Amino acid sequence: DAGVIQSPRHEVTEMGQEVTLRCKPISGHDYLFWYRQTMMRGLELLIYFNNNVPIDDSGMPEDRFSAKMPNASFSTLKIQPSEPRDSAVYFCASRGGTRPGELFFGEGSRLTVL
Amino acid sequence: GNSVTQMEGPVTLSEEAFLTINCTYTATGYPSLFWYVQYPGEGLQLLLKATKADDKGSNKGFEATYRKETTSFHLEKGSVQVSDSAVYFCALYGNNRLAFGKGNQVVVIP
Repeated sequence: DAGVIQSPRHEVTEMGQEVTLRCKPISGHDYLFWYRQTMMRGLELLIYFNNNVPIDDSGMPEDRFSAKMPNASFSTLKIQPSEPRDSAVYFCASRGGTRPGELFFGEGSRLTVL
Repeated sequence: GNSVTQMEGPVTLSEEAFLTINCTYTATGYPSLFWYVQYPGEGLQLLLKATKADDKGSNKGFEATYRKETTSFHLEKGSVQVSDSAVYFCALYGNNRLAFGKGNQVVVIP
């Protein structure tokens, strides 16, 4: 079975450019999460969706970040404009409704903003 | 709120040594506890879990016991291998949120 699929795996961009990260959750999972991982701050929850609806976006750092989930099989995380401090690994994760706490993570998107 | 604390710093040990990674938690109610592992270049994956006090989770030779009296969920393995080199995260699920610790990098030397 396919796991959580993220793209791109690596992205290098210049400050001020728009960045879009993509995620396909596991089929049948109704929760989707976006996390950011850095050495300094560890793993941070940015936002999560339930049945395509954003439930908690309190972790989104600022208005430059936005996330959408137009359907059950696709989500995007957009940064516009990007800044060097946004450099991190961004993970998408999904889970079913019956096993809270048991997340399935993608391999991550490593973002470098120059 | 709910939180998880892991011991500071990386752990370096020789193959076949005994591994312990400490994890303590603060929570209201009766949370579920988890250990996740992140191998180099990969996302996190669930290693084991325990859903109530005195439960022992186990997988791949790793074990952790949910200790309510000491609010701990320490991870142990009796004989580590080079392939166990990874970052290990303790996590707690409660109040509809999953809280992760900061993680411990484990390096196993042949």
